Amino acid sequence: DADVTQTPRNRITKTGKRIMLECSQTKGHDRMYWYRQDPGLGLRLIYYSFDVKDINKGEISDGYSVSRQAQAKFSLSLESAIPNQTALYFCATSDLGAGGGTQYFGPGTRLTVL
Amino acid sequence: AQSVTQPDIHITVSEGASLELRCNYSYGATPYLFWYVQSPGQGLQLLLKYFSGDTLVQGIKGFEAEFKRSQSSFNLRKPSVHWSDAAEYFCAVGAWGFGNEKLTFGTGTRLTIIP
Repeated sequence: DADVTQTPRNRITKTGKRIMLECSQTKGHDRMYWYRQDPGLGLRLIYYSFDVKDINKGEISDGYSVSRQAQAKFSLSLESAIPNQTALYFCATSDLGAGGGTQYFGPGTRLTVL
Repeated sequence: AQSVTQPDIHITVSEGASLELRCNYSYGATPYLFWYVQSPGQGLQLLLKYFSGDTLVQGIKGFEAEFKRSQSSFNLRKPSVHWSDAAEYFCAVGAWGFGNEKLTFGTGTRLTIIP
């Protein structure tokens, strides 16, 4: 089984709808992240969490919210989806062992907002 | 704040030829540097990383990268590419410590392999 899973893998929704993207991990990492990927822009950080009680905004948090339900679960919500939120969304986890950390990515969720 | 530039949006290489993908970074301290690969329809997989020590880093799939502080570069190389190397490659710089533990990615380089 994959260490970092994301559900759903694909979602088509309409403008104004509330959407939740879920991420689960079995790696035992405290740190979790949400990114969005747009063609030509690379990955941009939306939110990140260092533990269940610590949540931080990334560079593009407007229009998004998150919930860290447990060490293993980190959800991203779009309260009222808009077309420019159409993108590929990735969840990642991170260890912080000796020598710095490595981020491990889920397979992504492709979201289309009509 | 850190930043990463990948100047080549798209590179085409013949199978068996050598490859070099460029990455330049901006960061005020010693950087943590990464190369990730994204195959079509897949998530990102770590190829290699540099934290300290030897400036030539070996990774998976026969890739290597060299950290050059004087040029603020971390270019990715492979002596002989295979058709399966066709993918998008992302360079990233990480800032650790002081609660700033996150990555900044470049915009990516798409690699096409021709027979």
